[in-house]
Amino acid sequence: DTAVSQTPKYLVTQMGNDKSIKCEQNLGHDTMYWYKQDSKKFLKIMFSYNNKELIINETVPNRFSPKSPDKAHLNLHINSLELGDSAVYFCASGTGPNSPLHFGNGTRLTVT
Amino acid sequence: GENVEQHPSTLSVQEGDSAVIKCTYSDSASNYFPWYKQELGKGPQLIIDIRSNVGEKKDQRIAVTLNKTAKHFSLHITETQPEDSAVYFCAASRTGDKIIFGKGTRLHILP
Repeated sequence: DTAVSQTPKYLVTQMGNDKSIKCEQNLGHDTMYWYKQDSKKFLKIMFSYNNKELIINETVPNRFSPKSPDKAHLNLHINSLELGDSAVYFCASGTGPNSPLHFGNGTRLTVT
Repeated sequence: GENVEQHPSTLSVQEGDSAVIKCTYSDSASNYFPWYKQELGKGPQLIIDIRSNVGEKKDQRIAVTLNKTAKHFSLHITETQPEDSAVYFCAASRTGDKIIFGKGTRLHILP
């Protein structure tokens, strides 16, 4: 009965590869997010979707492409991976801006 | 845009003592202030939040205070226990806008 689940938990890949991270929430929330947490633990929003529609895109390189097939799912595809993409990526959901976020347990991406 | 500063970056307290983490924000229109706890290998989890129409909120050993004039808010944990060891994040947002996080405080509870 996990509320926000993301897969995989760990992802190790080489520079230049393309990879995807999947996220699903069963809380019935309309809004989903992707956050990036760097090695210093700083949490930075990347994207936000409301009912499958992109509402926030925080100047993330266009190698990152989110996709929301329905309001319970938000996937993140990353093309041409770079060393600097190594981080923990968190999916979250909520009822909208200015409301509590429910985070998944993260995907640790390591680019070698 | 909003900027949230959080201090200290690391805090060590003896088990049973109190811990206080402080944050300041820049946008006077911010009206929602959540606190998240992140344990090792897990995502951040909301532990308490406060809205700008309230000055203080308490939930068992955890309390949050808000000073809108000074634009700062604090998390207080009393009677600390080993399971309180984690990274804590403050955050702020305004109506209709995204939540901005502080840089986190690593709290160590010493036996």
